Amino acid sequence: NAGVTQTPKFQVLKTGQSMTLQCAQDMNHNSMYWYRQDPGMGLRLIYYSASEGTTDKGEVPNGYNVSRLNKREFSLRLESAAPSQTSVYFCASSVGGASGGLRYEQYFGPGTRLTVT
Amino acid sequence: ILNVEQSPQSLHVQEGDSTNFTCSFPSSNFYALHWYRWETAKSPEALFVMTLNGDEKKKGRISATLNTKEGYSYLYIKGSQPEDSATYLCALYNTNAGKSTFGDGTTLTVKP
Repeated sequence: NAGVTQTPKFQVLKTGQSMTLQCAQDMNHNSMYWYRQDPGMGLRLIYYSASEGTTDKGEVPNGYNVSRLNKREFSLRLESAAPSQTSVYFCASSVGGASGGLRYEQYFGPGTRLTVT
Repeated sequence: ILNVEQSPQSLHVQEGDSTNFTCSFPSSNFYALHWYRWETAKSPEALFVMTLNGDEKKKGRISATLNTKEGYSYLYIKGSQPEDSATYLCALYNTNAGKSTFGDGTTLTVKP
């Protein structure tokens, strides 16, 4: 199993450009998450999807949109990138859902380092 | 937004020392608490999932306890080794909706 994969690993954008970060998991997990991690700060939740077909805002959703394409894939879109969105982005998944019981530990992807100039 | 606090922010110890750090959280509506280990240039890795008041979990030299009534969890590392150097994160779930709130982490540096 590959676990959680993210593409691309690195990206440089100019202010105003758009892009989509891709995330896929092969663990049949119900819940998926997008976080950003900035120097000196912990992980901040951007959006999450508790189950296929649902998405919800996290702490810092402004400037982002998400799509839960299917159970495996959860993408994050920056419509008009800003320098404040320079960060490392992590996707994660967990068993989640009502059928997952209490086993909500999250499995993280390798991260995407995004620079907006 | 839940306030999950970790202390200390950073810790420097010598190889062989035992150490512990704290995760504090609101005790109301507690559902689960996770501990993660995050090494530089890698992704966070789950250590423990804790759900019941009084839970104690152990993995090798690392153990954790949970007190949901007073809203804290301790992570202990016995006989620290340089390879234990990492940031240790706790994450709180207060419902079963799937969304967690992470603390800012405690960064441990173990000197040989």
